[in-house]
Amino acid sequence: GQQVMQIPQYQHVQEGEDFTTYCNSSTTLSNIQWYKQRPGGHPVFLIQLVKSGEVKKQKRLTFQFGEAKKNSSLHITATQTTDVGTYFCAGRDSNYQLIWGAGTKLIIKP
Amino acid sequence: EPEVTQTPSHQVTQMGQEVILRCVPISNHLYFYWYRQILGQKVEFLVSFYNNEISEKSEIFDDQFSVERPDGSNFTLKIRSTKLEDSAMYFCASRTGGMLPQPQHFGDGTRLSIL
Repeated sequence: GQQVMQIPQYQHVQEGEDFTTYCNSSTTLSNIQWYKQRPGGHPVFLIQLVKSGEVKKQKRLTFQFGEAKKNSSLHITATQTTDVGTYFCAGRDSNYQLIWGAGTKLIIKP
Repeated sequence: EPEVTQTPSHQVTQMGQEVILRCVPISNHLYFYWYRQILGQKVEFLVSFYNNEISEKSEIFDDQFSVERPDGSNFTLKIRSTKLEDSAMYFCASRTGGMLPQPQHFGDGTRLSIL
């Protein structure tokens, strides 16, 4: 079945460094959503991208949706300890089903 | 702000027993979902429910699983004969309808431990 591949699985950064996670789909997505899950918590919606080439910003977070609507990225500038958690992308396919990536765990090195 | 609520927060059950996980979605939401997450792993879709019937289900959602919306507010997931590998966090989610897809709102989850 259709998959959304998300990389990397883990990323260790020093506080203040940047962080990026990438999602790739084998087929065109109608839209993509991003969620954050804090340790021990539940996924919390961050943003949705719908248009080809769309870029949205939320403070230090920048979200992009590729021109072909097959890939997306989340970039965090100057990470802070509050950014710790797992970031999931979830793409909606042609059958309107939400396909989740495996998540990227952001770990801040002390 | 309205929330999705799930009970219990932790359920411990003997293998082979039936369990029912309960969820109260946000009141004006129309689409309901169950997901599971084995510790440290990805969120796995189980089933979606709309207009009082299952709209999609994954391969995980076999004959041992069922969902119900018995009274217009609760949304339950039943596992008939639990297996050790059913141990996981189970999340309920709901969303509104509309032309554009809306974000899903998740509950805090039920941790299911099968002994």
